[in-house]
Amino acid sequence: AQSVTQPDIHITVSEGASLELRCNYSYGATPYLFWYVQSPGQGLQLLLKYFSGDTLVQGIKGFEAEFKRSQSSYNLRKPSVHWSDAAEYFCAVGREYGNKLVFGAGTILRVKS
Amino acid sequence: DAGITQSPRHKVTETGTPVTLRCHQTENHRYMYWYRQDPGHGLRLIHYSYGVKDTDKGEVSDGYSVSRSKTEDFLLTLESATSSQTSVYFCAIRPGLAGGSTDTQYFGPGTRLTVL
Repeated sequence: AQSVTQPDIHITVSEGASLELRCNYSYGATPYLFWYVQSPGQGLQLLLKYFSGDTLVQGIKGFEAEFKRSQSSYNLRKPSVHWSDAAEYFCAVGREYGNKLVFGAGTILRVKS
Repeated sequence: DAGITQSPRHKVTETGTPVTLRCHQTENHRYMYWYRQDPGHGLRLIHYSYGVKDTDKGEVSDGYSVSRSKTEDFLLTLESATSSQTSVYFCAIRPGLAGGSTDTQYFGPGTRLTVL
């Protein structure tokens, strides 16, 4: 069965520092991969997605993610974090053309000034 | 904004009572989903629909039923609510038929349900 692991429940970074959030997946075929962000009390907003092609994907708000098949990973990165990036981040894998997303447990990002 | 609304946004109910949550979309997308969000679990799929009157179960479907009598509405029903169903419920839609850049789910604002 497919699964998604986000090893870090909480991460705290200083404003202006770089960020990397980890995501590992288990899936037998080429996955569809997504990163979503959720601000407190809000719904989920899509940051970026990988379906095929270039393994380095650019998303909104200055985020990027790199798909590494050999490591079964899809880590999210940002070179310089802003206080407004504080939120919870979810990695998800889709199968059957994106049907039935399976989510990781999420990583809560705190930004300190 | 994917044109998704959920109602009610907040609800408190008692154990054993029936509860229906509504998801409404304005753009006639074929696929609709219900997820629940719980700390430490992320989001888990309850049920989904691939057309009017066409639904299927997700990974946590026990205790839930759904109906879709028209394209724009997808209803989630808890026949007899239990405290373990206290959660935040999200509806999602997916534009497009299959594959390609349209194969992304977009989420509604959520409904916070408390079962006492």
